Amino acid sequence: GAVVSQHPSWVICKSGTSVKIECRSLDFQATTMFWYRQFPKQSLMLMATSNEGSKATYEQGVEKDKFLINHASLTLSTLTVTSAHPEDSSFYICSAELRSYGYTFGSGTRLTVV
Amino acid sequence: QQQVKQSPQSLIVQKGGISIINCAYENTAFDYFPWYQQFPGKGPALLIAIRPDVSEKKEGRFTISFNKSAKQFSLHIMDSQPGDSATYFCARGGSARQLTFGSGTQLTVLP
Repeated sequence: GAVVSQHPSWVICKSGTSVKIECRSLDFQATTMFWYRQFPKQSLMLMATSNEGSKATYEQGVEKDKFLINHASLTLSTLTVTSAHPEDSSFYICSAELRSYGYTFGSGTRLTVV
Repeated sequence: QQQVKQSPQSLIVQKGGISIINCAYENTAFDYFPWYQQFPGKGPALLIAIRPDVSEKKEGRFTISFNKSAKQFSLHIMDSQPGDSATYFCARGGSARQLTFGSGTQLTVLP
């Protein structure tokens, strides 16, 4: 149980285009979801916290206009990287908070901007 | 974000040996200390977690030892296997309900 499905698993896009990443909780309702970014051989850095039905809370230094987060339902949160540039290339991972106090993670999305 | 200091950065262990990874935290306002295992190109998967009201928790070959007074916790992997080769992250969760991760330890278990 408590599975988070993240899609796509990898995406290549041209510089200047936008990319949407989806994160779905398959068998539970996720009131709170988190979005992380991970560069090669580095740790996960929290980008933002999204709460269903309200605006996301972004960490310091994360551009909210570039990384649009929507959490319109209890089972879906999306991250849209707008006007992507090569420096946005990274591994993006979503996570959902579980009611029993724990966290489950998606399988990640490898974004490559060319 | 509050930091969690993790060491060592990399670790090489012979098959059957014990792998030990350590983490230290600064702020005491946390009540959830998990360890995650991550394989290349995959999201992190929860291995084991502990709350500060216990000093040790064991699940199979994995044990967390927690020292509240020293603000340290460690992961012990007994009888390490080549399949355990991965990156391990400690983390802490607190009142803000978000996880902060350590820097990671790349474990290699030699056959």
